Amino acid sequence: GENVEQHPSTLSVQEGDSAVIKCTYSDSASNYFPWYKQELGKGPQLIIDIRSNVGEKKDQRIAVTLNKTAKHFSLHITETQPEDSAVYFCAASRRSNDYKLSFGAGTTVTVRA
Amino acid sequence: KAGVTQTPRYLIKTRGQQVTLSCSPISGHRSVSWYQQTPGQGLQFLFEYFSETQRNKGNFPGRFSGRQFSNSRSEMNVSTLELGDSALYLCASSLAEGPYEQYFGPGTRLTVT
Repeated sequence: GENVEQHPSTLSVQEGDSAVIKCTYSDSASNYFPWYKQELGKGPQLIIDIRSNVGEKKDQRIAVTLNKTAKHFSLHITETQPEDSAVYFCAASRRSNDYKLSFGAGTTVTVRA
Repeated sequence: KAGVTQTPRYLIKTRGQQVTLSCSPISGHRSVSWYQQTPGQGLQFLFEYFSETQRNKGNFPGRFSGRQFSNSRSEMNVSTLELGDSALYLCASSLAEGPYEQYFGPGTRLTVT
């Protein structure tokens, strides 16, 4: 099955700086890559996703890039704010009868004021 | 529009008992997926229901089962509880079948003693 590795496991950044989280996946048939943000006591919240026919997608301060050849994708958060502090999860899935989201282990992001 | 709701939010059970968790999807969403979240194993896919049919299943024992009703509400049942079943159980809903654009509820925290 799909194996998703996520790095780093923790990330501390100064408010206003950028944060980058990287994920690699093993299944070359995967073609859907969402990112989720989970705050304490809440369920994961979809913040951005990308499909394999697109190399980059941006939504305000958040961007995701995908390199299918290298089988890795990254989340970029610019101009970080204290409310960006949370656990971020990457995930990958193929689009077939055997689809299921496989998640990375998560990155705890702390934005220092 | 109301989000995904899960009941109960917290539950304490004893080994050997069974438990039923409930999930109400976002209005208009027809797919419900269930996930188990633990510190050790992270987020793991349990199963997905669409149009009252189980469409996909993760690698969990048969003690874990579910169903979906005609109004898209879903229930998950765990029989013969084990200590290792202690976890946050999350459900996610989406418009269509598959891994795309899943919206998570707050989860049910199950503790098995």
